This record gives sequence, C-alpha cells and structure tokens, in this order.
Amino acid sequence: DAGVIQSPRHEVTEMGQEVTLRCKPISGHNSLFWYRQTMMRGLELLIYFNNNVPIDDSGMPEDRFSAKMPNASFSTLKIQPSEPRDSAVYFCASSLDRGNYGYTFGSGTRLTVV
Amino acid sequence: KQEVTQIPAALSVPEGENLVLNCSFTDSAIYNLQWFRQDPGKGLTSLLLIQSSQREQTSGRLNASLDKSSGRSTLYIAASQPGDSATYLCAVRPSAYNTDKLIFGTGTRLQVFP
Repeated sequence: DAGVIQSPRHEVTEMGQEVTLRCKPISGHNSLFWYRQTMMRGLELLIYFNNNVPIDDSGMPEDRFSAKMPNASFSTLKIQPSEPRDSAVYFCASSLDRGNYGYTFGSGTRLTVV
Repeated sequence: KQEVTQIPAALSVPEGENLVLNCSFTDSAIYNLQWFRQDPGKGLTSLLLIQSSQREQTSGRLNASLDKSSGRSTLYIAASQPGDSATYLCAVRPSAYNTDKLIFGTGTRLQVFP
C-alpha cells in the first residue's frame, strides 16, 4: 500500500486566495483525520470523518475552513479566504476501526500564506 | 480533559547510549498509546502501538512500556545512532469523551552525535 497520500507537498499562496488540500487515505481505512501542526501549538485536530461522515469539527478554526469527504478514497480541506496565520503544516491521517489498530499519517502539506 | 506531557523536551547524547523518553497522560481511560517519529520537515512515522491491555511492545532497538494506572509510558532506545535523531511524539486515544481523535504530547527532540 502507498500509505496516506497528500497533495500538494508545498503550497505558497497570497492572502485572500482559496487553498485546497487533498488527501487519499489507505484503502479500507474508514476514519480520516485532518491535523494542523505549528511551532506554537503543536499538533491540533481540525476535523475527522468516520465512514465519510464528519464526526467532530470542533477544531476547525472558523468559517473560512471547510472539509469534505465525498467518498471513502478522497478528502479535501479548503481555506477561503486564506490568511498569513493559516501558515502551517497540514497532515491527513487514516485509521481502521476508529483507531483500534493505530493511525497512519501522510507526509503533510506545508502551507505558506504571504 | 486529557493532557499529554513529554519529558525531556530536548535531549542530546553521544552515539551508543541507551535512552529513555517519557510520556505522561492525565486520564488513564485510554484505548491505546502510539509512539511516532518525525524527522525535520517530514511527516509522522508510527513506531509502536500499545493497546490499553498491554504492558509493552518491542520493535528492533525500540521498546515501549505502558503503565496505564499511573498514566505513564516510556520509549527505550538501545544503542542510539545518529540516524535516531528526530522528534519523538507520543499520542493517546482516549476511551472517555466519546472521540476517536489522538491527543498528542509536545514531543522530545533527540539529537545523537557521533
């Protein structure tokens, strides 16, 4: 298996632009998580899905952030409009059976908003 | 509220030393605990997963123990090598709070010099 695949690896965008991050979970995994990592706050959960349904989005910073999972093999995290304080590394992770067998993380997307 | 703490925050040792990294959590109600490694600018690589019913797990030179009642886990690295230099993160999956998300510690940054 290729693991959790995220794209793009790096994204540089101007303030106010829309940014879309993409994630393909491991085939057969039924839970998907979006985390954000910064130096100041460490790893924070933004949102997670079970069987394509959003379960907990309490970590989504504000209405500028949205996430979708239209099918079991694809998810997007969208920021519109982007702001410099959104600059961070965004990780996607997937798990089987709600994490009973551990979690697998993607390589992350490094987002820079200038 | 579950909180995870890792001590020390940073560690620098000569090659060949045996190391102990510590992780503590405030609520013993967990399903499992997972240790990750993160290289600079990279994603999280899973090292070991310990279920709540287990006392320890081993993989090569790594051994992780879990004492759920006292809220502690240790990661033991035998005969450290420069290639072990990375940040080590522990994360717990709480069994309370009706959530599947991982709660991460702040990490231990390890440097092993030749």
